[in-house]
Amino acid sequence: QVQLQESGPGLVKPSETLSLTCSVSGDSISSYYWSWIRQPPGEGLEWIGYISYSGGTTYNPSLKSRVTISVDTSKNQFSLSLSSVTAADTAVYYCARVSPYYYGSGTYSFYFDFWGPGTLVTVSS
Amino acid sequence: DIQMTQSPSSLSASVGDRVTITCRASQSIASYLNWYQQKPGKAPNLLIYAASSLQSGVPSRISGSGSGTDFTLTISSLQPEDFATYYCQLSYTTSLTFGGGTKVEIK
Repeated sequence: QVQLQESGPGLVKPSETLSLTCSVSGDSISSYYWSWIRQPPGEGLEWIGYISYSGGTTYNPSLKSRVTISVDTSKNQFSLSLSSVTAADTAVYYCARVSPYYYGSGTYSFYFDFWGPGTLVTVSS
Repeated sequence: DIQMTQSPSSLSASVGDRVTITCRASQSIASYLNWYQQKPGKAPNLLIYAASSLQSGVPSRISGSGSGTDFTLTISSLQPEDFATYYCQLSYTTSLTFGGGTKVEIK
């Protein structure tokens, strides 16, 4: 069974960089794509971006200028870096596995089938 | 950008009720839609992918339908464990935007 676990500081100061790591067990990180999603307290879900096993990335345009997602296949981990944070970046951050669905036409879509439990990151001085 | 709008934002229902949640895309997205369930304090759980494909382990009382711009998630007979918030998600490989959520509460 695939398991994911987020880790990192729970408190970050405004203007600094938020850094989180997702450790994957029960599966090779080289077999799938991997994503970060966040949820401000009491609000809905926001997709941040994903990384392929080869290191290619796709980001939410609204966050693209501040986000970097990287992968460390030797540790079976992937990471999120979000720069210049403000209070609006306070949220529960989730990591998730991205699985493909192949349509008969040769196109495909993505879904998130395994998630970490999430970690709350608060931006405050 | 494609916007995903869910309705209603919340609803009250009783055990045994048939519940329908709607998700509308701002332009046609064929069947590029997923549904998730989220309970308080927990990570979301995948229910439906590709608009109507039931994820393994999800009970058959839950179903998804629709294509183009209008999609529905139906729970045929609401059970106590179904009280939660439900999210639709655009599933393009270039955009994985979520809808705003629908909270299903006990009447």
